[in-house]
Amino acid sequence: TQLLEQSPQFLSIQEGENLTVYCNSSSVFSSLQWYRQEPGEGPVLLVTVVTGGEVKKLKRLTFQFGDARKDSSLHITAAQPGDTGLYLCAGIDRGSTLGRLYFGRGTQLTVWP
Amino acid sequence: DAGVIQSPRHEVTEMGQEVTLRCKPISGHDYLFWYRQTMMRGLELLIYFNNNVPIDDSGMPEDRFSAKMPNASFSTLKIQPSEPRDSAVYFCASSLIGSGGTGELFFGEGSRLTVL
Repeated sequence: TQLLEQSPQFLSIQEGENLTVYCNSSSVFSSLQWYRQEPGEGPVLLVTVVTGGEVKKLKRLTFQFGDARKDSSLHITAAQPGDTGLYLCAGIDRGSTLGRLYFGRGTQLTVWP
Repeated sequence: DAGVIQSPRHEVTEMGQEVTLRCKPISGHDYLFWYRQTMMRGLELLIYFNNNVPIDDSGMPEDRFSAKMPNASFSTLKIQPSEPRDSAVYFCASSLIGSGGTGELFFGEGSRLTVL
């Protein structure tokens, strides 16, 4: 059973389009992180959200943590080929031991020029 | 500063052979994690250590897998005997969670294991 469900699993779009990917769970998380992974490399942290309802912006990327801290979304404006990669959300379960981070399976994004 | 260093980057072996994967975490980090990534199951946590002590090994698939962290700068993940279903990319990651750390995971580049 996957604690964090990500959708869509695959997304293929043209340069300049906007997109949103989702990360959902029935569990409450004390914090949630988004990572991006490129081929042949390990995931790299993009952002951490902690407070319910929190919105963080990183250039063209907007991250939102749900009010109930069970879900999150990542919105990319005017996608570019350099945004191509596997986007992973990861949450620290409020009831779990410190350091126990659960990962979703990810959304594979491809942006065509 | 050097990041998390893993070796080997690629390993091809035959079923039944012993495989040892190595990891050097970022100096000063207090947590070390071993993950396995496959298309089918995504990133799975195998085991993690805090200050060299194993905290949670519930993700280790079976007794064929073992992990050690003899000191703060080195960890190994061993598979003996290896099986084709162990084929995956194995990641090591380290983090500073205590002492006001952010909890960000820093991943190595991974070890791609193929068991024939």
